[in-house]
Amino acid sequence: DQQVKQNSPSLSVQEGRISILNCDYTNSMFDYFLWYKKYPAEGPTFLISISSIKDKNEDGRFTVFLNKSAKHLSLHIVPSQPGDSAVYFCAAPTTSGTYKYIFGTGTRLKVLA
Amino acid sequence: ETGVTQSPTHLIKTRGQQVTLRCSSQSGHNTVSWYQQALGQGPQFIFQYYREEENGRGNFPPRFSGLQFPNYSSELNVNALELDDSALYLCASSEDLTSTDTQYFGPGTRLTVL
Repeated sequence: DQQVKQNSPSLSVQEGRISILNCDYTNSMFDYFLWYKKYPAEGPTFLISISSIKDKNEDGRFTVFLNKSAKHLSLHIVPSQPGDSAVYFCAAPTTSGTYKYIFGTGTRLKVLA
Repeated sequence: ETGVTQSPTHLIKTRGQQVTLRCSSQSGHNTVSWYQQALGQGPQFIFQYYREEENGRGNFPPRFSGLQFPNYSSELNVNALELDDSALYLCASSEDLTSTDTQYFGPGTRLTVL
């Protein structure tokens, strides 16, 4: 039962263009979402989050959109840079008994120079 | 740089052996969670410790166990290693047990079981 899904395992984008990474979830109890970025040989690092009371959160080149009715969130990176090449995970914390993160399977973004 | 460190970086073991992985959390972080990330997958929750007590676990057998110490360090122990235990093991610390509290991950320990 995969509660958080990232259906695109990889994405290639030209430098300067927009990268859009998608994430779907099934558990309507999730009320907070996070995006993590992971480089090889490093642990995931927090990128941006959004509360379910909002539909958009922006931080510099990164914007996360939340569509609660569709149970869908997306991460937009504008403009994309080669240093953005990494694996991106969406995650949702659940407090059902234990506070833990449920992660998607990740999307590998490659930004081409 | 998250301030969370893990050791060792890499480890090779054989089936049936036991392994101990270590994590040093940020000072003041009372919560540590351990995750297993298999190749091509997202991190899977193993268990969590809060103030040195286990605070829940995921779908992992009892041969996965842990400890958390007062000095913000913690351990993950795996007994009777199986080939499928080969993965990246991540620890993550956070200040408390709040759902919006960001977890900070260490770089992980890559375990290979032969």
